[in-house]
Amino acid sequence: DADVTQTPRNRITKTGKRIMLECSQTKGHDRMYWYRQDPGLGLRLIYYSFDVKDINKGEISDGYSVSRQAQAKFSLSLESAIPNQTALYFCATSDGNFNEQFFGPGTRLTVL
Amino acid sequence: LAKTTQPISMDSYEGQEVNITCSHNNIATNDYITWYQQFPSQGPRFIIQGYKTKVTNEVASLFIPADRKSSTLSLPRVSLSDTAVYYCLVGGDNQGGKLIFGQGTELSVKP
Repeated sequence: DADVTQTPRNRITKTGKRIMLECSQTKGHDRMYWYRQDPGLGLRLIYYSFDVKDINKGEISDGYSVSRQAQAKFSLSLESAIPNQTALYFCATSDGNFNEQFFGPGTRLTVL
Repeated sequence: LAKTTQPISMDSYEGQEVNITCSHNNIATNDYITWYQQFPSQGPRFIIQGYKTKVTNEVASLFIPADRKSSTLSLPRVSLSDTAVYYCLVGGDNQGGKLIFGQGTELSVKP
């Protein structure tokens, strides 16, 4: 089984809808991250969390919110999706050495 | 966070050694240099990390000169499966876990 899983893997939704992307990990890591990737570009950090009660904004947090329900789970929400949030979303974890992060398989989100 | 500059794309042939150089003139004393590999529609995968001189693992080597203002990822005898985007990242844990990915280098390996 994969160490970092993301659900759903693909999602098509309409403008204005609320969407939740979920990430689970079995690596036992404290640190979890959400990134988005647009075609031809590198990843950009949305939010990250170092512990269950810790939430930090990344580069592009506007329009997104997160919830760290447990050490193993980190959810990303789009309260009111818009078309320019169409992207590939990745969750990642690390054990404290931030340079080595373990990424999930990604969620492809399309907002019409 | 130190900015990195690397070539947008590179071509190679199977069996060749590939060297991808990354410039990071503003690297800080506590920063490490890390390289990731990403295949299409997959999450990036950690390849190698170093602080100075040379680091080697089963996948690649990383060469870092004394001034640490650049680094070179060396992939020995590439195969078609090494076709991917390679990202150079510079940073340290005092930056709160923030990895900054640039555009990366798209490596295309041809038969």
